[in-house]
Amino acid sequence: GESVGLHLPTLSVQEGDNSIINCAYSNSASDYFIWYKQESGKGPQFIIDIRSNMDKRQGQRVTVLLNKTVKHLSLQIAATQPGDSAVYFCAEKTQGAQKLVFGQGTRLTINP
Amino acid sequence: GAGVSQSPSNKVTEKGKDVELRCDPISGHTALYWYRQRLGQGLEFLIYFQGNSAPDKSGLPSDRFSAERTGESVSTLTIQRTQQEDSAVYLCASSFGTAGTQYFGPGTRLLVL
Repeated sequence: GESVGLHLPTLSVQEGDNSIINCAYSNSASDYFIWYKQESGKGPQFIIDIRSNMDKRQGQRVTVLLNKTVKHLSLQIAATQPGDSAVYFCAEKTQGAQKLVFGQGTRLTINP
Repeated sequence: GAGVSQSPSNKVTEKGKDVELRCDPISGHTALYWYRQRLGQGLEFLIYFQGNSAPDKSGLPSDRFSAERTGESVSTLTIQRTQQEDSAVYLCASSFGTAGTQYFGPGTRLLVL
């Protein structure tokens, strides 16, 4: 079946450093990927997305990389800030499907 | 409104009781989704609506779960005869069309005693 998972459940980074959160997916039919940030007690917040016809997309301090050959997705956060501390989820969707399939999440902690 | 809203924010109920959870999507968003998030887990898809119809109910865990949407706006998720394993955060999302980005509400935290 389809699944999306994360390599590391927790990640601690020094404030100001860059962080990389990884995600593996198994469904080769997936054509849309998205990263969400979830703070304690809140709903997931959209960060950035990417379609399968791209391998890189940049936002403000964030970059998503997609490697379809090895079915791997990563989220890079530059110059991390305390407000970046949260759980980060990757999710994927296949063409024609409407539901997102979520990974288990990675907890990112920014140390002052 | 400015974002997806959900009510109540918290709900404590006794096993066997029925509960109704409400979602108000972003104005103009035609697609609406319900997900469930157990403690420390990722989100599980429950059901989605395109307009007022629900083409995909595949994620509903049992026939105790049902959802409806009226006026292409508000949706309610009903859980009948609640069980302790129903305890979770129930999240609603909406998007402009089914290909659009899904934006989530704050969730309803359900605790079944």
